[in-house]
Amino acid sequence: GEDVEQSLFLSVREGDSSVINCTYTDSSSTYLYWYKQEPGAGLQLLTYIFSNMDMKQDQRLTVLLNKKDKHLSLRIADTQTGDSAIYFCAEPNTDKLIFGTGTRLQVFP
Amino acid sequence: SQTIHQWPATLVQPVGSPLSLECTVEGTSNPNLYWYRQAAGRGLQLLFYSVGIGQISSEVPQNLSASRPQDRQFILSSKKLLLSDSGFYLCAWSFGGTGGSEQFFGPGTRLTVL
Repeated sequence: GEDVEQSLFLSVREGDSSVINCTYTDSSSTYLYWYKQEPGAGLQLLTYIFSNMDMKQDQRLTVLLNKKDKHLSLRIADTQTGDSAIYFCAEPNTDKLIFGTGTRLQVFP
Repeated sequence: SQTIHQWPATLVQPVGSPLSLECTVEGTSNPNLYWYRQAAGRGLQLLFYSVGIGQISSEVPQNLSASRPQDRQFILSSKKLLLSDSGFYLCAWSFGGTGGSEQFFGPGTRLTVL
């Protein structure tokens, strides 16, 4: 099937690290994406990783890719209240992106 | 630079009324265009996408339709709204001919059907 799976919820304390996981379906995907959706807004691209990379770091964000297991993760270091949002992973499929189910990250003080 | 617009931002409509949501993109040509629906607290459901004028692909059967009368205009319509049509509707675009590349999202339209 075409289901890209994520856990629904994650709750972390401010200052801790957050790890959001995603299992995708197509081992031939060239790029994999992470999007962030703040309440009442559209999605914004947060970061992406090429399929020939195992890791990508961008400031507080670290993306890890395990192609063998088709597993993608997003780590947010020093999580802040402004990081509270829904996070979607996505993989390409012909002219479309297949989005994961989304993980709602809640950051508490 | 490219921008994407959606309107209206919010809409409250009675059951059985018609619907027309509009999405326009500026600053690019021949984009791929997409309509998504997001139910409250849920993920994204791809409704329609278009790779060119007059070319519409439907992802799920429903009482909605889409049209692309101009290169950078994408319209979502319904003749008679159902309660289940309530949700957050998002339009997105990507560069044409690039096959599943990054999508850029509009601000969304929140539709409430009463």
